[in-house]
Amino acid sequence: AQTVTQSQPEMSVQEAETVTLSCTYDTSENNYYLFWYKQPPSRQMILVIRQEAYKQQNATENRFSVNFQKAAKSFSLKISDSQLGDTAMYFCAFILNTGTASKLTFGTGTRLQVTL
Amino acid sequence: DTAVSQTPKYLVTQMGNDKSIKCEQNLGHDTMYWYKQDSKKFLKIMFSYNNKELIINETVPNRFSPKSPDKAHLNLHINSLELGDSAVYFCASSQGDRGHTEAFFGQGTRLTVV
Repeated sequence: AQTVTQSQPEMSVQEAETVTLSCTYDTSENNYYLFWYKQPPSRQMILVIRQEAYKQQNATENRFSVNFQKAAKSFSLKISDSQLGDTAMYFCAFILNTGTASKLTFGTGTRLQVTL
Repeated sequence: DTAVSQTPKYLVTQMGNDKSIKCEQNLGHDTMYWYKQDSKKFLKIMFSYNNKELIINETVPNRFSPKSPDKAHLNLHINSLELGDSAVYFCASSQGDRGHTEAFFGQGTRLTVV
């Protein structure tokens, strides 16, 4: 079974600064995807960024980038130039690339507070 | 132009009642899911359907029964509601094919059992 661990229940960062959220996972499989989802107070689950395990290049989406270390099974999210609107719960998630029987396994989340 | 929509957004009901949550997606996806988010924000899958067929059924009480009349709809019916059923329930969809695994989520239904 796959597990996802987020060891930082809460983090705080000042506006315009950079913050890194940690995520580790455990799997014996080789073909999978990793995601970061954002859940603001509105409750909506929003996909932030995705990484295919077979790609060595780290994914980036504007101010969001990941550090994917496959051998270490680590998948951290870096948020640059933090904005007040980045305040949210952030969930790391894992899915096997097995087609229709796939399911997302989530970490316990990190609550990020961006302050002035 | 909502991609995955669920109704209602909020549901308050008494113990022992039966209630349903409806979900519809207009993304043309083949796979739909129900996830439960508990009071500690932990998200866990309950069910997944692919083209109206049940694929995943995690250890969920029999009081929970999903129904998929077509691949664009996945409803969740809950019988004999208990206090512990209080949570946020998310519907989601994905293409389900290899290489298309992002899940798109509805806005969630906050269920409160009193």
